Amino acid sequence: EAQVTQNPRYLITVTGKKLTVTCSQNMNHEYMSWYRQDPGLGLRQIYYSMNVEVTDKGDVPEGYKVSRKEKRNFPLILESPSPNQTSLYFCASSLSRGREQYFGPGTRLTVT
Amino acid sequence: DAKTTQPTSMDCAEGRAANLPCNHSTISGNEYVYWYRQIHSQGPQYIIHGLKNNETNEMASLIITEDRKSSTLILPHATLRDTAVYYCIVRVTYSGAGSYQLTFGKGTKLSVIP
Repeated sequence: EAQVTQNPRYLITVTGKKLTVTCSQNMNHEYMSWYRQDPGLGLRQIYYSMNVEVTDKGDVPEGYKVSRKEKRNFPLILESPSPNQTSLYFCASSLSRGREQYFGPGTRLTVT
Repeated sequence: DAKTTQPTSMDCAEGRAANLPCNHSTISGNEYVYWYRQIHSQGPQYIIHGLKNNETNEMASLIITEDRKSSTLILPHATLRDTAVYYCIVRVTYSGAGSYQLTFGKGTKLSVIP
């Protein structure tokens, strides 16, 4: 089944404790991106990747890192999480830039 | 930027067609109309997109007016599982070297009633 998977789905952590949210797609998509969704603010792009080893910042990259060592994986790294990073996170992929995006199920992160 | 206007909410009886309108009067000639939906905090789901011709797939039909200033998403036989927020998007942002961002508005909350 073609899909985008994220892990973990739920995470509660404390300020400053490094964490990684994994994202994987099995559709051989070139383009992947991370969004966060907050009430009243909608979906905002954090980082995106055009292909392996090609990543760039979206609208709200502060406090996040990403890597794209393999085509299928695009992990989101929070080196020192803070409470303002409490949010619902979505990974998405598309065949190429400009094509329809397919979203993962989301990761609900709470930072205390 | 092309902006969209959608009703805040709509109800539809189960088994009936759900017609969700979207106004996008400032759409430019090369901008597509995309529809996504989000079921209660799940990941947004792509439904359909079109440029100027009507489109149909296994999920829905998209009717775009000739002047492209509005469109309607049609779910032919709504079920309870179609209860979701439906987003009409005509603004696809290209910025920087390759950013491709979907700008989601507030959407229409569709409630399918038994």
